[in-house]
Amino acid sequence: EAEVAQSPRYKITEKSQAVAFWCDPISGHATLYWYRQILGQGPELLVQFQDESVVDDSQLPKDRFSAERLKGVDSTLKIQPAELGDSAMYLCASSSRDFPTPAQFFGPGTRLTVL
Amino acid sequence: AQSVAQPEDQVNVAEGNPLTVKCTYSVSGNPYLFWYVQYPNRGLQFLLKYITGDNLVKGSYGFEAEFNKSQTSFHLKKPSALVSDSALYFCAVSRYSGNTPLVFGKGTRLSVIA
Repeated sequence: EAEVAQSPRYKITEKSQAVAFWCDPISGHATLYWYRQILGQGPELLVQFQDESVVDDSQLPKDRFSAERLKGVDSTLKIQPAELGDSAMYLCASSSRDFPTPAQFFGPGTRLTVL
Repeated sequence: AQSVAQPEDQVNVAEGNPLTVKCTYSVSGNPYLFWYVQYPNRGLQFLLKYITGDNLVKGSYGFEAEFNKSQTSFHLKKPSALVSDSALYFCAVSRYSGNTPLVFGKGTRLSVIA
């Protein structure tokens, strides 16, 4: 069964350092999402891509976060500089072009700890 | 704006008994509703979705959910709980059809006791 791949699974960094997370969606899935899940809460959207274009980044803290999906396949989410409040699980999800509303399939996540 | 409420932080049920995890939603227009399950240090796994049609939706691992428009609810159910069902369950809603972001509830931890 095809899965969404993410790496690394765990990342520990010190505040003010730069971190990057990678996501490879299910093959053929045009839509890719990055969500952030703080402990004890549900995931919240950071950014949505349709192919290589950003569809929604209204909740992305653009002063420190950036995301790209240059060839419309895999994606990278970067934080620079990291802050203590960025400690969370970062989840990548992808969905197909199925009509009318396809399910989103999630990767295992990257757990970030900022010290 | 759309929102989801999961009124119970924790649900405990004995193995073999039926289980219900509650979810209510708020959205203008037609809701598109989803249930996901999360095991420790894992991503979310899709269980089922309601788009339109029958109010009772069947999903993976024997789970089903009942859509009730008048009560704006979408409760997750299973006739006979297993210990392996113990996990964190999330209800989610989208306001639009197609590829749109989901708005999640805060989650309900289900504990099935042998």
